[in-house]
Formats: sequence, C-alpha cells, structure tokens
Amino acid sequence: EVQVVESGGGWVQPGGSLRLSCEASGFTFSIYEMNWLRRTPGTGLEWISFISGRSLTIRYADSVEGRFTISRDNAKNSVYLQMNSLRDEDTGLYYCVAGGKNFDHWGQGTQVTVSS
Amino acid sequence: IQMTQSPSSLSASVGDRVTITCRASQNIGNSLNWYQHRSGKVPKFLVYDASSLMSGVPSRFSGRGSGTDFTLTITNVQPEDFATYYCQQRFSNVPTFGQGTKLEMK
Repeated sequence: EVQVVESGGGWVQPGGSLRLSCEASGFTFSIYEMNWLRRTPGTGLEWISFISGRSLTIRYADSVEGRFTISRDNAKNSVYLQMNSLRDEDTGLYYCVAGGKNFDHWGQGTQVTVSS
Repeated sequence: IQMTQSPSSLSASVGDRVTITCRASQNIGNSLNWYQHRSGKVPKFLVYDASSLMSGVPSRFSGRGSGTDFTLTITNVQPEDFATYYCQQRFSNVPTFGQGTKLEMK
C-alpha cells in the first residue's frame, strides 16, 4: 500500500523558518519524482516545488523561489522542504506528492500557519 | 497557464449525470489531468491525458477535450462521488490547477 506522510508543519512568525518532511512507502521511492504542493486561502491548489529521483532537476514556483529549498534522501525514502523568510501568504496546507507532472500519490498534508 | 473550472459547486442526486468544465488560458493539447478530493481522504488521481482513466477508476467517470476546453462527466453519480474535483494542466513546467468544483448531494 502506498503511503505518503508529511510532518513538520506548525505556527511561525513572519520571517521565520520551518522544515517540512515527507516519508513515503509502498513504491520505489528512488526513481519517483517528488513534489510539494500547497492549498492556500488566496491561491487554491498551487504546485511549489519539484525534485527528480536523483535530485538532478529541481524546480520552484516563482512565489517561493529563493526562499524555499527542496531536497531528498533516497536512503530514507524522504523528501524535505526548507522554508525560510516565511510570509503571511505562505499559510496553508502543504502536500507532499509523488509523481512528475502527474500527481500520483498524495499525503494528507501538514498545516503551516504564518502569523504574528 | 490559467485553468478555469465551472461551476464552482454543483448539486446532484444519486443516479444523476453531471459534467464539470475546465478551460485553459492557452492550448495545452491533451495535457490535462483530473483529481478527486473527498473530505477526510487524500486527493486521488482520476484521469490523465484528458480522457484516460487511472487504474481502478470506475467507468462512470469520463474525460473529454483537447486544446483549451475539457470536461469531466460522471454518469450515475454514486454516494462516494460527492467530493471536490480539480483539473490540472501538465503542459508547462509549472503545473497549475483549476479552483475546484464541489459536487454536493442535493
């Protein structure tokens, strides 16, 4: 059974940082491309970052470029999102999703709240 | 690429036939996916390449369209189909979603 489980969300003040983690199982993680998406009140569902199986290709949405960093550890079947310089508009439910541009397997999401 | 879904919400009864529309702001060929998100569940990948059903998706779901205009139709709506549906284009390196269509029980 495929499972994708996010963790690391929480409340943070504007300008602060958070690191999200995602652990996956039930598929060959090392060959799967992975993404982070989010659902925010202002934007709806938004793709924010992509990483290829061997981390050779990484992409970001303009809204997070320069502030967020995606990485993965295939030995741990995990992908991470380091989020710095957080803004109010980054508040939302963050999903870890397996797949390239077809989002095959989703987690339940982890809530990030940026507020003073 | 902007994706626009209509309607934003839809009321139906079990057994009804419903259609959701998705429009792209530019030609995306058939690079269009559909997802279902039931309350309390993880989103589920339903349709790829505009009209191909993912394995295990019931045949009452069907997708059509190409270019800029797409539809997702559910014939004989079942209780488990009440959910929010999203279209998503994968034509560009920045995948984008429609705002969602909530299918509610009448």
